[in-house]
Amino acid sequence: EVQLLESGGGLIQPGGSLRLSCAASGFTFSSYAMSWVRQAPGKGLEWVSVISGSGGSTYYADSVKGRFTISRDNSKNTLYLQMNSLRAEDTAVYYCAKLSSSAPSPSFDYWGQGTLVSVSS
Amino acid sequence: QSVLTQPPSASGTPGQRVTISCSGSSSNIGDNYVYWYQHLPGRAPKLLIYRNNQRPSGVPDRFSGSKSGTSASLAISGLRSEDEADYYCAAWDDSLSGVVFGGGTKLTVL
Repeated sequence: EVQLLESGGGLIQPGGSLRLSCAASGFTFSSYAMSWVRQAPGKGLEWVSVISGSGGSTYYADSVKGRFTISRDNSKNTLYLQMNSLRAEDTAVYYCAKLSSSAPSPSFDYWGQGTLVSVSS
Repeated sequence: QSVLTQPPSASGTPGQRVTISCSGSSSNIGDNYVYWYQHLPGRAPKLLIYRNNQRPSGVPDRFSGSKSGTSASLAISGLRSEDEADYYCAAWDDSLSGVVFGGGTKLTVL
C-alpha cells in the first residue's frame, strides 16, 4: 500500500525558513517523480514543484522560484521541500504527491494528508 | 487568476448529468494531456481522470473526461450525494515549464 507522510509544518515568522519532509513507502521510490502541491485557506490547489525520479530534473512555480528547493533522498525514500524567505502568502496546507511516472507531469496518483504551514508574526 | 479557467460552481440533482468545463491555451491543454482531481474537504485530492479520458482503477465509469482543442470537460452522470466536492483540472504548461491547475469548481448536489 502506497503511503505518503508529510512532516515539518508549523508556525513560522515572515522571512523565516522551514523544511518539509515526505516519507514514502509501498512503492519503488526512485522510479517515480514526486511533487509538492499546496492549498491556501479558502483557495484552490496550487502546484509548487516537481522532481524527477533520479532527482536530476526539477521544476518550480514562479511564485516560489528562487526561494524553495525540492530534493529527494532515494536511499531514505524521502522527499523534501526547503522553504526560505517565507511570506504570508505561503500559508497553506502542503501536500506531497507521487506521480505515475518518473518524468514530471500533472499525473498525481497518490497524495499525502498534508502538513500545514502558517507564516505569521 | 488561474491559468486554466473553470466555472466556480456547478450543481445538479441526484441522478442528473453535470459537466464541468476547463479552458486553457495552446501551451497547456492544446498541446498536453488533461487531468482531473476530486477534492473533499479535509481529505487528500484524488485522481479521477488522466490523459484526457482515462480512469484509474476504482473510479466509477460515471466519471468521464474529454478534450477538444484548448478546452476539456469532466462529465459526471448518475449524480450522487457523495459526488459533492471540489473538482480541479490540471495540465502541463510548456511555456511555464510546470503544472497548472484550474481554479476549481465546487459541485453541489441539491
